[in-house]
Amino acid sequence: EIVLTQSPGTLSLSPGERATLSCRASQSVSSNYLAWYQQKPGQAPRLLIYGASSRATGIPDRFSGSGSGTDFTLTITRLEPEDFAVYYCHQYGTSPWTFGQGTKVGIK
Amino acid sequence: QVQLVQSGAEVKKPGSSVKVSCRASGGTFSNYPISWVRQAPGQGLEWMGGIIPIFGTPNYAQRFQGRVTITADESTSTAYMELSSLRSDDTAVYYCAREGRWLNLGGPLDFWGQGTLVTVSS
Repeated sequence: EIVLTQSPGTLSLSPGERATLSCRASQSVSSNYLAWYQQKPGQAPRLLIYGASSRATGIPDRFSGSGSGTDFTLTITRLEPEDFAVYYCHQYGTSPWTFGQGTKVGIK
Repeated sequence: QVQLVQSGAEVKKPGSSVKVSCRASGGTFSNYPISWVRQAPGQGLEWMGGIIPIFGTPNYAQRFQGRVTITADESTSTAYMELSSLRSDDTAVYYCAREGRWLNLGGPLDFWGQGTLVTVSS
């Protein structure tokens, strides 16, 4: 199965700063079928990005995804207070679908 | 807008089984896969398997093969996940989620249920 490794494990930033999250796959992700989710405590994950770089419906344009093959990045250009959460990457190109272990974006 | 509503929290004994339901509304249930994902306390997300209701053939993660059964009832727009031989490390929140790819497995999880906490304890 494809192992997704996210880094860093924790990111401590201030509102207004830029966040850059990485997701590396153990083998190439088929068709760049890579998604990013945001999860807040006690809530279900929310889809942010799919197909590596397409924003889901209603997602603000401060969220962007990039990358291909085995290296992917989620960028949040200017952190808003509501963006402090845990972020997961997810590949859905090769069964079994797998998730990264998550990156927590915390307030500095 | 698609909504997925799951059944309530469960407490189970080790060795027993649990069946969680996921009822869909507001969209076309039959033609989009439904996946099941679990999250142990304080841990990450783990995909268990999925099904396209109109086809009815499930796709399971190998580590759950033999213990999990995923089904779907088109008449009630409800998907089910049954996990047997429960152990304490099966304690988790279980989510259903729609894969946003028409008639094909492998899509982003665009709509999620609220989650069902299953606690396995003697």
